[in-house]
Amino acid sequence: DAGITQSPRHKVTETGTPVTLRCHQTENHRYMYWYRQDPGHGLRLIHYSYGVKDTDKGEVSDGYSVSRSKTEDFLLTLESATSSQTSVYFCAISDWGQKGNTIYFGEGSWLTVV
Amino acid sequence: ILNVEQSPQSLHVQEGDSTNFTCSFPSSNFYALHWYRWETAKSPEALFVMTLNGDEKKKGRISATLNTKEGYSYLYIKGSQPEDSATYLCAPDSGTYKYIFGTGTRLKVLA
Repeated sequence: DAGITQSPRHKVTETGTPVTLRCHQTENHRYMYWYRQDPGHGLRLIHYSYGVKDTDKGEVSDGYSVSRSKTEDFLLTLESATSSQTSVYFCAISDWGQKGNTIYFGEGSWLTVV
Repeated sequence: ILNVEQSPQSLHVQEGDSTNFTCSFPSSNFYALHWYRWETAKSPEALFVMTLNGDEKKKGRISATLNTKEGYSYLYIKGSQPEDSATYLCAPDSGTYKYIFGTGTRLKVLA
């Protein structure tokens, strides 16, 4: 258990509204990630962070912004939600241990945009 | 962005069959390769992290090999069981901590 909590776990929102998903970690990991699950595409990287206030774009960053003002929290914001952003969103952290660097995922946030 | 390809995209096998699938990745700037198992409605779960050319890792009936010179890794499942049904993902690591996953191989094991 890498101590990752995502909130909300389920949300239904209307097209055009802003939505923020939160990822909280308890173990001081430097690297944090947001992925989305898409049929036929597997997991696609939206944004990632390599430290407080240090973030970079992933494969599918358009329409999303992120912020990391403290180590434990990584926020994903959909600036104006669209139906194409209906998906399951996974937060992840990477941790260096005995077996090398391993990525641990949160439980996912199910977002429906109607 | 690393170009990662996994094949086949999906696979149906009978219970008891052995199977394998492939992850192809750029061989330049290689640092490590990650394999994950992802069941529907759950979070992806780490299987292996592989770093050395010729590496072979095993976890129960699942094993993986790595060829960094030609840029591929094989995942093998011996004696497939229905509980092995999942999507298997790979992600190469170039040491940048930016993990791009392949599209995965969806395995369905029929009882």
